Formats: sequence, C-alpha cells, structure tokens
Amino acid sequence: RKEVEQDPGPFNVPEGATVAFNCTYSNSASQSFFWYRQDCRKEPKLLMSVYSSGNEDGRFTAQLNRASQYISLLIRDSKLSDSATYLCAVKIKAAGNKLTFGGGTRVLVKP
Amino acid sequence: GAVVSQHPSRVICKSGTSVKIECRSLDFQATTMFWYRQFPKKSLMLMATSNEGSKATYEQGVEKDKFLINHASLTLSTLTVTSAHPEDSSFYICSASSFFSRDNEQFFGPGTRLTVL
Repeated sequence: RKEVEQDPGPFNVPEGATVAFNCTYSNSASQSFFWYRQDCRKEPKLLMSVYSSGNEDGRFTAQLNRASQYISLLIRDSKLSDSATYLCAVKIKAAGNKLTFGGGTRVLVKP
Repeated sequence: GAVVSQHPSRVICKSGTSVKIECRSLDFQATTMFWYRQFPKKSLMLMATSNEGSKATYEQGVEKDKFLINHASLTLSTLTVTSAHPEDSSFYICSASSFFSRDNEQFFGPGTRLTVL
C-alpha cells in the first residue's frame, strides 16, 4: 500500500462549481499535512497547510480526519485558473523534515 | 517568500555522459536541501536529503554512486547524474529549508528537465 494515496482524476469541474477530493495516508505517526498545487511542467507550490481543526484560505478549505487518516481539499466557486494538479504531502516528525507526496489529483475547470 | 533557483532548467545529453544540476537558495541559508525526481504523470519521489557539510542520506533504491550529491555551502547543493541513460530522463526538483523557516517549510526550485538520448 502506498504511504500517501490520491484519486488521480481528472475531475472535470464546471466553472463556478465546487469540487472536493481526498488524500489518504497510511502512517498513523504522520504529523504535518499540506496541499500543493502543481502546474504542468512546473514545480509544486504550497497551497496551504492543513491544521487539525480545519482551515480556510479564500475559496479553499482543507480538513484533516485523523481517525480515518485522510485530508481533504475543497475548492468553491472554481475558476479556470484553478486547473492544475493538487498534491497532498505528509510529514512524519520521526523522519525529520521529509515530505512524502501523493500521486496528485488533476482538476480541470471548464467554462 | 524564499527563492530557490536551479540551473540548468533543461538539459539534453547523450547516453553515458554526466550531468550536473545546481540548486541555490538565493535569499536564505538552507541548512537542508532535498532532491526529488518526477516521472511523467507521477508524483515527486524523494531521492536524497542533504545537510550542509555532511554526506547526503539517500532513499531506498536510489544509487548513491550514480546520483552524486554535494552540499558544500549553505546556499548551494549539486546533483550529478553520472553516466546518464535514457531511463534517467525525468524532471529533477530540489527544495531547500532552514531551521528558521516556519514549520521548516521546504521551498522548491523550478526544476530541471533532463532528457537522455
């Protein structure tokens, strides 16, 4: 089983709609969680960290479910510019500062 | 935010040659640098972690004699792909972090696309 798994998609989303997707992790010692955005042939860029109580940044909402070992990302009022691959990443304190990435979820927002 | 550069951005080479990729932290001192590899439509896979002045720690399955990492200063790490072969063609991305960055955040370079003919 992969350490961090994501539905690869693509999620085809009408502009203005809401889309949500999850990321599951297998190691219960995982401590820090992140969502990154990666555009085609570019480096990943940090979108947001995910906090235990859930957090929101504009149209983006991230949540953590420790019991079921997954994090989620919800995008409201999708824009064409939201089209990208969204990577989740997990950090285990005992493993130092190493990030383990999921395979990414591709989102395509269409007019 | 902190800026990390990589050079070259793209390289095409013949099979059997060695390629050096540089990763620089431009406005902060990076105590740790990470090297990742990403194949098409796949995720980033950590290859190795390097701390300034010490030997790199390689992930399982990554050949340390093939992927030479040097982290000689707090602003520069290099990855040398020795005797490159077509299967080494990939997108190589570095990241850098500092003890002083919030949550030890990793700042990513723009990546180097390697094509081995």
